[in-house]
Amino acid sequence: GQQLNQSPQSMFIQEGEDVSMNCTSSSIFNTWLWYKQDPGEGPVLLIALYKAGELTSNGRLTAQFGITRKDSFLNISASIPSDVGIYFCAGQSTGANSKLTFGKGITLSVRP
Amino acid sequence: DSGVTQTPKHLITATGQRVTLRCSPRSGDLSVYWYQQSLDQGLQFLIQYYNGEERAKGNILERFSAQQFPDLHSELNLSSLELGDSALYFCASTRQGGGPGELFFGEGSRLTVL
Repeated sequence: GQQLNQSPQSMFIQEGEDVSMNCTSSSIFNTWLWYKQDPGEGPVLLIALYKAGELTSNGRLTAQFGITRKDSFLNISASIPSDVGIYFCAGQSTGANSKLTFGKGITLSVRP
Repeated sequence: DSGVTQTPKHLITATGQRVTLRCSPRSGDLSVYWYQQSLDQGLQFLIQYYNGEERAKGNILERFSAQQFPDLHSELNLSSLELGDSALYFCASTRQGGGPGELFFGEGSRLTVL
């Protein structure tokens, strides 16, 4: 089945630093999405990307849909303590029975 | 608050038992998705319903079943529970006309099987 690779499993940064997360796949996706999960909550959509090469920002977050359609990255600039959480990438192909596939997530810790 | 409501929030039960998890999607959303989240497997898609009909199936065990009712709420039934079924179970719904993959998740039901 389709798999999304996110590594490392955990990242530790200092408040104010920028951080970049990558997500790769052996399969092509037509949609890439980034979700964040706070402790005790369900995942929340951060950014959705629908076109290869697309670069989209949402406040301090920037995400890109890779040209090959097999990868995406998420960048968080000037991190703050509330950026702590698990960041999931997700990809969806089109066609009958297409499903949304999630990566295993990266746990981000921000040191004040 | 995503608008997706899940009950119960926490559930502790014993192996071999059966439980039912309930989900109410956001008002107006016709699709309901169920996901299982465990520490080692991440978010695994179980099943999707659209307006009462099963639309897509993922890695759902035969011991698990789901349905969506005419009022659009959904229930996930887990039977013959095993220790490995302990996980967070999330329900999500999608907005009519929304982009693919844009899910609104509930807060989840944490199931502990002892």
